[in-house]
Amino acid sequence: DQQVKQNSPSLSVQEGRISILNCDYTNSMFDYFLWYKKYPAEGPTFLISISSIKDKNEDGRFTVFLNKSAKHLSLHIVPSQPGDSAVYFCAASGRGGQNFVFGPGTRLSVLP
Amino acid sequence: NAGVMQNPRHLVRRRGQEARLRCSPMKGHSHVYWYRQLPEEGLKFMVYLQKENIIDESGMPKERFSAEFPKEGPSILRIQQVVRGDSAAYFCASSPLGGNTEAFFGQGTRLTVV
Repeated sequence: DQQVKQNSPSLSVQEGRISILNCDYTNSMFDYFLWYKKYPAEGPTFLISISSIKDKNEDGRFTVFLNKSAKHLSLHIVPSQPGDSAVYFCAASGRGGQNFVFGPGTRLSVLP
Repeated sequence: NAGVMQNPRHLVRRRGQEARLRCSPMKGHSHVYWYRQLPEEGLKFMVYLQKENIIDESGMPKERFSAEFPKEGPSILRIQQVVRGDSAAYFCASSPLGGNTEAFFGQGTRLTVV
C-alpha cells in the first residue's frame, strides 16, 4: 500500500513555462514533506521541504504548496529550465523518528 | 563539509558471495538511512539507524541482509549470499536529527550480481 503517491510518471514542459509536480499521501501522521531531484547514476539531491504547520515554502524558482485537508502537495518550478530535467521524488516523514517514505517519482522533461 | 560518502560506487559480486556497502554520513549527522532502487522503480526504504542502534528495519528482507552503524566508523549494509535479484542501486542518506529534518544522500553503490 503506497503511502506516498505520485500519479504522473512523466511530465513534459516547455522551457520558461511553469512545471507543476503533484504528490498525494495517505498517512495522516506525516508532518514533514520534502522534494528531491535525481539525475541518472547520481544520488537524490534535496530541493525543498515544508512542515505541516505551513502551507507554502519558497526557495528561488521552487515553491512547495501543502494542502493538509486534501493530503496533497505540489512542487512548482518557474521558470523551468532544461537543466531541471530529472526525476523528482516526493518524500514524507512523521514525528518520533520515522523514516522518510518516498513516492515513485515523476520524470520531468523541459524542452528547449 | 564533505557530503555523504558511499563506497564503493560500483560493486560486482558472483552469486553466493557477500557484498559490503559502506556509508560515511555528513559530519555531525548521527542518523543514517539506507534505500534501495531497483531498475525503473522508486526508492524503497530498508533501514534507519542511529549510532549503535537500529531504529527501524521494517524494509529489510528477513534473511541475508543486515546493517550496522557502530560508534566509530561508517555504517555498513551487508548482503550475504547475494542473488541476481539483489542487483540494484543502494543509497545511503544522513540527517542531523532524524525525522522532520532534511536528509542528504550519497552517490549510491550500484551492485551487480553476476
